[in-house]
Amino acid sequence: AQSVTQLDSHVSVSEGTPVLLRCNYSSSYSPSLFWYVQHPNKGLQLLLKYTSAATLVKGINGFEAEFKKSETSFHLTKPSAHMSDAAEYFCVVSESGGFKTIFGAGTRLFVKA
Amino acid sequence: NAGVTQTPKFRILKIGQSMTLQCTQDMNHNYMYWYRQDPGMGLKLIYYSVGAGITDKGEVPNGYNVSRSTTEDFPLRLELAAPSQTSVYFCASSYSLSKETQYFGPGTRLLVL
Repeated sequence: AQSVTQLDSHVSVSEGTPVLLRCNYSSSYSPSLFWYVQHPNKGLQLLLKYTSAATLVKGINGFEAEFKKSETSFHLTKPSAHMSDAAEYFCVVSESGGFKTIFGAGTRLFVKA
Repeated sequence: NAGVTQTPKFRILKIGQSMTLQCTQDMNHNYMYWYRQDPGMGLKLIYYSVGAGITDKGEVPNGYNVSRSTTEDFPLRLELAAPSQTSVYFCASSYSLSKETQYFGPGTRLLVL
């Protein structure tokens, strides 16, 4: 059975410092992994996705994530936080060959000036 | 392209009332989804559709009904509103199953009193 765990419910960083949002997953099959961002009162927007090509995935707005099969992790990083990055971030796992998409509980990112 | 649109943005219902949440997409996607998002939780799938005339239950279908008469529209019906249905509802669509990016609407905030 597949599952996804976002290890931090809240992360707070200062503007200009690195961002790390952690995600561990469990999947019986070759999964696809996604990170979505949700700004207040908005729908979810895709940041990046991994679908068994390169393990380091680059997304929009300077975010990237690395798929580590041995650690079953898909952590999201950004070298330098911007105030506009303050939002909720969701890690999502989806298995191939069927219809099953699981959302993590979300990590709220706060960015201090 | 408007993408995925949802109406209304916000609604207050009394217990036992009914309503329909509207969802329309203009990307000619075959696959459409309804999710609910409760505070501090990830999204839970209510119903999904793989094409006009074909719908199926997701993880939390009780208390809801859907129909899909056209490719563009996927309304969600609440027949007898209950306080437990207070949530934010998101409609999404995708080109195909699972591994594909889902495109989300802005959400409908529903309060049942």
